[in-house]
Amino acid sequence: DAGITQSPRHKVTETGTPVTLRCHQTENHRYMYWYRQDPGHGLRLIHYSYGVKDTDKGEVSDGYSVSRSKTEDFLLTLESATSSQTSVYFCAISIRDNEQFFGPGTRLTVL
Amino acid sequence: AQRVTQPEKLLSVFKGAPVELKCNYSYSGSPELFWYVQYSRQRLQLLLRHISRESIKGFTADLNKGETSFHLKKPFAQEEDSAMYYCALSGGPGAQKLVFGQGTRLTINP
Repeated sequence: DAGITQSPRHKVTETGTPVTLRCHQTENHRYMYWYRQDPGHGLRLIHYSYGVKDTDKGEVSDGYSVSRSKTEDFLLTLESATSSQTSVYFCAISIRDNEQFFGPGTRLTVL
Repeated sequence: AQRVTQPEKLLSVFKGAPVELKCNYSYSGSPELFWYVQYSRQRLQLLLRHISRESIKGFTADLNKGETSFHLKKPFAQEEDSAMYYCALSGGPGAQKLVFGQGTRLTINP
């Protein structure tokens, strides 16, 4: 099974502060994704990566940036957190034939 | 544009009753369709995908291209089926991105 972890698992922060979430995979899967999960909206793609230093925007990328300096790590940064970014964030990897495997999620609260 | 619609936000049925979770999609090409399940506060897990045509935990789903639907069905619901269910679409082989529906929260009453 693919191994994927996210850190931190929970975070509470204040409006205006920077926040970085980390996604780590133990295998060399090329594609990695960041989603946010909100009631009534399902999962929405924020950014994704198709290789080291290769990233692209998703559906809801405003206010977020990403970086991938190593195959195994995909970082999501909120430069200046806002209350509208309170959400559960999921990282995923594409393991085969468009099937995605998800991380455990990070619950972020912005006060 | 790719779009997935799950018309029911909430669905409640009794144990032993049949279950059908609806999913409609919009895509001009040949899509790949998936159902993911999320049990309480856990990660999303793949339940099934249409190309495998297999039954997982008693659930099946048939792709109906004429009606652009991929409804999830189970003949006899069990309490452990209570979860959030997401339908997802990929724009064919190599697309590498999924578009998710809004999700349906299924509750099985004893």
